[in-house]
Amino acid sequence: AQSVAQPEDQVNVAEGNPLTVKCTYSVSGNPYLFWYVQYPNRGLQFLLKYITGDNLVKGSYGFEAEFNKSQTSFHLKKPSALVSDSALYFCAVRGDSNYQLIWGAGTKLIIKP
Amino acid sequence: KAGVTQTPRYLIKTRGQQVTLSCSPISGHRSVSWYQQTPGQGLQFLFEYFSETQRNKGNFPGRFSGRQFSNSRSEMNVSTLELGDSALYLCASSFNRAVEQYFGPGTRLTVT
Repeated sequence: AQSVAQPEDQVNVAEGNPLTVKCTYSVSGNPYLFWYVQYPNRGLQFLLKYITGDNLVKGSYGFEAEFNKSQTSFHLKKPSALVSDSALYFCAVRGDSNYQLIWGAGTKLIIKP
Repeated sequence: KAGVTQTPRYLIKTRGQQVTLSCSPISGHRSVSWYQQTPGQGLQFLFEYFSETQRNKGNFPGRFSGRQFSNSRSEMNVSTLELGDSALYLCASSFNRAVEQYFGPGTRLTVT
């Protein structure tokens, strides 16, 4: 069965420090991986995706994610966190044989000044 | 290009009533998906439509239904509302079924 795990409910980072939000997945076939961000009382915004190609994917707002096939992970990273990055982050995956998108539970990211 | 629009943005209904929510996808997008978001349950998939056909359905009771029109606009209907249906309902569209989805702002449904 396909699944996505975001092992941390909440991540706290000081402003200016690097941040990582973790995501691991299980899917049949080649994975299509996505990260989304949700600000309070808003819909989700697409950040970045991995379909194929380079394992390091760059996205919006200075975020990037690294695809690791052997560890079945797709962690979201940013070299220097901003207070405005505080939000809820979702990882999602679909296999190449089933179009249904499977969502992680979300990780609340708190950046402290 | 205009984003995904959802109407209404806020809705208050009484238990037992029914409700219809509307979603207009980004122009050119043919796939529309619906999600329910609650603080306790996170993001729950309701259904996906592509070319006016339901392609996938989540684990929700038959009270939840949807449809997609020839212009790709979509509606979802919830009949016999229950208190537990109070949630943010999100619509997302994508160009096809394989690529990233773009979300609307959601409809906040409160059932009293």
